[in-house]
Amino acid sequence: NAGVMQNPRHLVRRRGQEARLRCSPMKGHSHVYWYRQLPEEGLKFMVYLQKENIIDESGMPKERFSAEFPKEGPSILRIQQVVRGDSAAYFCASSTLKAGPPETQYFGPGTRLLVL
Amino acid sequence: SQQGEEDPQALSIQEGENATMNCSYKTSINNLQWYRQNSGRGLVHLILIRSNEREKHSGRLRVTLDTSKKSSSLLITASRAADTASYFCATDAKDNFNKFYFGSGTKLNVKP
Repeated sequence: NAGVMQNPRHLVRRRGQEARLRCSPMKGHSHVYWYRQLPEEGLKFMVYLQKENIIDESGMPKERFSAEFPKEGPSILRIQQVVRGDSAAYFCASSTLKAGPPETQYFGPGTRLLVL
Repeated sequence: SQQGEEDPQALSIQEGENATMNCSYKTSINNLQWYRQNSGRGLVHLILIRSNEREKHSGRLRVTLDTSKKSSSLLITASRAADTASYFCATDAKDNFNKFYFGSGTKLNVKP
C-alpha cells in the first residue's frame, strides 16, 4: 500500500516562473491537505481539499497560490510568479473520509522548492 | 492563534538516556499527535492521543496529555542514535478538526 506520493521531490525555479507541485493521496483517502515548512520552522497549514472541492483555504496566500483536487488525478498546488520567499518545503497529507475528526494525517515526503 | 509549541527547542543526550519533549497549546482540541522528521525528509506519524486520554504507550514512546494545562509530553526511553530527528506535536481545534497546527519542533540529537 503506497503512501502519500509527491513529485517532484526537488524543484528549482527562477523568479517569475510558475511552480506546480503534485500530490497523490494514499489509496482510499479522499481528503488532502497542503502545508508549508520554512527552514527551522514547523509546518503551517495552507489548504484542505476534498475531491473537486476546496474546503478550507484560510492558510493560502491571497495571490499567486491556488490548489485543486480534480475528480481524476493528483492534487495540484500551483504557485504563479514565484518569488524568493516562496522557497520552502511543501508537504501534502491525506486522511480518510470520516464524519468526525480525522484520526491521522499521513504525510508525503515533500517537495523542496528553491527559487533563484 | 498558534497551537503546539514544543520545548526545549534543542536537546542533546547520550545514547541510552531518556529524552523528554514538551508541547503546549492554546485552545481545546480533539486529538494531539506527535510526528518525527529526519533532516530533509517528510514527517512520520508516531502516536495519537485523544483529548479524553491521559497516557499512551507505543514501544519506547510514552505520551501524556494534560488538557487542564493544555500540554503534552513525549518521552523516548533508552534512546538510540537513530532517534536523532526533529519532533513535532500537532493539534487540531475542537471546532475545526481538519486543520493541524504544528509547533516549531524539538531538535533531538542522540550521541552514540
